[in-house]
Amino acid sequence: NAGVTQTPKFRVLKTGQSMTLLCAQDMNHEYMYWYRQDPGMGLRLIHYSVGEGTTAKGEVPDGYNVSRLKKQNFLLGLESAAPSQTSVYFCASRLDGNYGYTFGSGTRLTVV
Amino acid sequence: TQLLEQSPQFLSIQEGENLTVYCNSSSVFSSLQWYRQEPGEGPVLLVTVVTGGEVKKLKRLTFQFGDARKDSSLHITAAQPGDTGLYLCAGVSRGGATNKLIFGTGTLLAVQP
Repeated sequence: NAGVTQTPKFRVLKTGQSMTLLCAQDMNHEYMYWYRQDPGMGLRLIHYSVGEGTTAKGEVPDGYNVSRLKKQNFLLGLESAAPSQTSVYFCASRLDGNYGYTFGSGTRLTVV
Repeated sequence: TQLLEQSPQFLSIQEGENLTVYCNSSSVFSSLQWYRQEPGEGPVLLVTVVTGGEVKKLKRLTFQFGDARKDSSLHITAAQPGDTGLYLCAGVSRGGATNKLIFGTGTLLAVQP
């Protein structure tokens, strides 16, 4: 089925470790986004991309980096994980500003 | 920073009851969307409203965009257990970047059989 695929679904990291979350979409969408969702905080935008080769900071970018080398992939990196980055991470994409988002099913990350 | 506040935060009702969820802001939005999120899944788009005063119906769900485009409501008639989930409103602020949405804080709905 067409959509947004996130890998991995679950991950436990030790403080200071690094990892990359992968988001892939097969809908030829221009826009891609990374959000984190925490209890009582709603969805907060980390970084986003308006097209291949472009990235921009969102509301809570510190501690994260992203890359969009290919249109269909959007990678989120944590260079040195901290317990405050324990969260559920969602990737989303959309065709352009006039359309709604298509979300992936999320990655649950725990940093101990 | 534009804020979208949703009320109530939590709602537990019996099957067959009606309910309304509100999404309010002090800012004007050029469009507003509603999503439903089930446990362990990402949000799924329900509807987009664009015109002030617009009303859209999706089976037992009725969505309304305020005349001033600062607020929206979601009304569910005869709720069913399958309606259980987190309801999120999200908007594109007028004058703001059209390439990203601002999400509300969410309303968690539980419909008891």
